[in-house]
Amino acid sequence: AQSVTQPDIHITVSEGASLELRCNYSYGATPYLFWYVQSPGQGLQLLLKYFSGDTLVQGIKGFEAEFKRSQSSFNLRKPSVHWSDAAEYFCAVGNTNAGKSTFGDGTTLTVKP
Amino acid sequence: GAGVSQSPRYKVAKRGQDVALRCDPISGHVSLFWYQQALGQGPEFLTYFQNEAQLDKSGLPSDRFFAERPEGSVSTLKIQRTQQEDSAVYLCASIPGQGYNSPLHFGNGTRLTVT
Repeated sequence: AQSVTQPDIHITVSEGASLELRCNYSYGATPYLFWYVQSPGQGLQLLLKYFSGDTLVQGIKGFEAEFKRSQSSFNLRKPSVHWSDAAEYFCAVGNTNAGKSTFGDGTTLTVKP
Repeated sequence: GAGVSQSPRYKVAKRGQDVALRCDPISGHVSLFWYQQALGQGPEFLTYFQNEAQLDKSGLPSDRFFAERPEGSVSTLKIQRTQQEDSAVYLCASIPGQGYNSPLHFGNGTRLTVT
């Protein structure tokens, strides 16, 4: 069965600092990988996705993620965090039916002024 | 354009009551999904429709949970005889086609509190 682990429950960074959120997945074949962001009281919004091809994918709001098959990882990065990035971030893995995704438990990002 | 719309936004039910949660997907989206998000956790898959056909209901936690999409657009998730463990945010999402390589478009969810 597929699974997703987000090792960091909560991360705090200063505004302007770089950010890396970790995601490890377990899946037998080539996975479909996603990062979503959720602000309080809102649904999840897609940041970026990986299906195949270039292992470094660019997303919205200046985020990027790198797929590393050897490490079963799909870490999310941003070079300079803005206060508006404070939210909860979810990594997800999908199978041949990408809509049926398995989500991690999320990482809450706090941004210090 | 209009996104996925869910109603009500908040629902408080007494234990044992039945509830119905509504989802209006993006117009023309073929596939519709229901997820349950407990406090402090990620969303968990409940069920999936392609048009009016319910193709996967493996995530429904008990036979008290029932979902339908009779005309292939609006969907309703019904929970009978609610229990405290049903308290969660119920998220609806839709996809234009049959899935495969499409990300989910989520609604803002319905927060259900069972007292």
